[in-house]
Amino acid sequence: NAGVTQTPKFQVLKTGQSMTLQCAQDMNHEYMSWYRQDPGMGLRLIHYSVGAGITDQGEVPNGYNVSRSTTEDFPLRLLSAAPSQTSVYFCASSYFAAGGTQYFGPGTRLLVL
Amino acid sequence: AQKITQTQPGMFVQEKEAVTLDCTYDTSDPSYGLFWYKQPSSGEMIFLIYQGSYDQQNATEGRYSLNFQKARKSANLVISASQLGDSAMYFCAMREGQGGSEKLVFGKGTKLTVNP
Repeated sequence: NAGVTQTPKFQVLKTGQSMTLQCAQDMNHEYMSWYRQDPGMGLRLIHYSVGAGITDQGEVPNGYNVSRSTTEDFPLRLLSAAPSQTSVYFCASSYFAAGGTQYFGPGTRLLVL
Repeated sequence: AQKITQTQPGMFVQEKEAVTLDCTYDTSDPSYGLFWYKQPSSGEMIFLIYQGSYDQQNATEGRYSLNFQKARKSANLVISASQLGDSAMYFCAMREGQGGSEKLVFGKGTKLTVNP
């Protein structure tokens, strides 16, 4: 049982490039989400999904797209990278329940030059 | 207004002593959940403890306990018998609603340093 996995661990992009951060979970969780963590800050929600085919925006969605074609996978796409998107990105998943605890992946460190 | 406030940017504690990390929250929803996560220097987010707004008793998980004072809207984390491995960032988070809304709002964190 791998839990929540994220790839890549580290990525350097140039301004304007696009890329996809991968996230997968093998716990059959309905809920998946993406957060970003900036220095001195807690985590902020980018996008989330309550099940396959359903996604919605979080607190800081601009510049990011998501899709959820399967229960297991929830990729995050950066359409045109900007230096302001330099951050650590965490994917999380949980059961859809009142006490549902979100379990986090190891994170992807992204540097946009 | 911030929904989660952690007023201690940094805390120091001696090994084997207890420490309390403060967290206050702001919500008008009667149903909510409060979480604490630990982030060591390696960067991963580790779930520690959960308290539901309707739970009658304070949550405990091993050396971790949550001092839940609903009227004060505080959810402080108590770590008993601190260990060197407890040195990390600690984040308080809140989920509003009765499940079905799993969005978490995080505080800015407290950096705990355990001294030998």
